[in-house]
Amino acid sequence: DAGITQSPRHKVTETGTPVTLRCHQTENHRYMYWYRQDPGHGLRLIHYSYGVKDTDKGEVSDGYSVSRSKTEDFLLTLESATSSQTSVYFCAISEGLGGTDTQYFGPGTRLTVL
Amino acid sequence: GQSLEQPSEVTAVEGAIVQINCTYQTSGFYGLSWYQQHDGGAPTFLSYNALDGLEETGRFSSFLSRSDSYGYLLLQELQMKDSASYFCAAPTGGGNKLTFGTGTQLKVEL
Repeated sequence: DAGITQSPRHKVTETGTPVTLRCHQTENHRYMYWYRQDPGHGLRLIHYSYGVKDTDKGEVSDGYSVSRSKTEDFLLTLESATSSQTSVYFCAISEGLGGTDTQYFGPGTRLTVL
Repeated sequence: GQSLEQPSEVTAVEGAIVQINCTYQTSGFYGLSWYQQHDGGAPTFLSYNALDGLEETGRFSSFLSRSDSYGYLLLQELQMKDSASYFCAAPTGGGNKLTFGTGTQLKVEL
């Protein structure tokens, strides 16, 4: 299994509070991704990174920011959490080989915003 | 943009064969991937089709027809452990991003 960990695994927070989720990899893969998964929507890309300090938006980036200061760590921040951000968040990594590339997913973080 | 459509749910009997379809609309197309996700777990890669035709990996096969913008995942000799959600996904953005379908929940019954 690819070495990907996410922390925390579960979090309950209140509306308006800041939240940071962490993804850590030991594979030295170039690409890292943050997805959210909601019933009926599958996996939707929030942000991704193609190198240290290189990030770009996905399809559902509003209300989220990311940072990647080291190859192994990719942080997702909700500056002011809202109930609509209650979801399961998955981090993924890939080597960045293009179409044939496989993405490897972390175990997920279940976030509840009250 | 990209959109991928799948049936929301499929039910089949243990030992049977089941086909999960995926139709797509894309502005650029590299190929079609399939991922499996058990309840409470993370998605895991199953297969990738870059070219038209059938790719076989054990009990699982995946098919792609670019001319029909269509693919499917075929699961043979179904087992209870195959009960999971299955997602098709298409690379985009130079091939290094994935757009996922909404997923098909497969229920295998005795």
